[in-house]
Amino acid sequence: SQQGEEDPQALSIQEGENATMNCSYKTSINNLQWYRQNSGRGLVHLILIRSNEREKHSGRLRVTLDTSKKSSSLLITASRAADTASYFCATDGQGAQKLVFGQGTRLTINP
Amino acid sequence: DTEVTQTPKHLVMGMTNKKSLKCEQHMGHRAMYWYKQKAKKPPELMFVYSYEKLSINESVPSRFSPECPNSSLLNLHLHALQPEDSALYLCASSQVGAGNQPQHFGDGTRLSIL
Repeated sequence: SQQGEEDPQALSIQEGENATMNCSYKTSINNLQWYRQNSGRGLVHLILIRSNEREKHSGRLRVTLDTSKKSSSLLITASRAADTASYFCATDGQGAQKLVFGQGTRLTINP
Repeated sequence: DTEVTQTPKHLVMGMTNKKSLKCEQHMGHRAMYWYKQKAKKPPELMFVYSYEKLSINESVPSRFSPECPNSSLLNLHLHALQPEDSALYLCASSQVGAGNQPQHFGDGTRLSIL
């Protein structure tokens, strides 16, 4: 069963613009992770935010977490063509070592 | 380059064949995972090994048989697969710790069942 729902399913923006993706989940969590998947490749871990954290930064990435709303957002600033990929949130609400992925957002950066 | 290596990258097999997918990591991770991913869908967990012991089996059909011969290797043995088993099979590894740890993924084996 899928824990997370992501929004939008697809997003197309111009290079240099900011991209925001949202993730909602259903049960309580210990942490939430974001992953990127380039076409034909495996997933790459981007950032982990714990349930007691509200915001976390890593380079051009900013992740927020609102446990009261059971939602998270991923902001990519100053997007580049290389950011074109699918982005997935993943939660651990169903037990340790059991990541459950959202449906993903397909991000396209147009040059 | 990924730190988790999967072989082969592509595999085409008939429904009566027996084949194996292999995964190797040298990061000292003691948790290893198999996922199945269909096109434009998220990965779905199949199996988890923790300290070389099977800890999670997500009700996967017995035609998929996992094996963890040592802390660096993970195999997935395939037998009598169905066309709907065609997918990208991803291996991942992580540290074992409190709560979920970041997982490191290989680039997968793209499996086609004829």
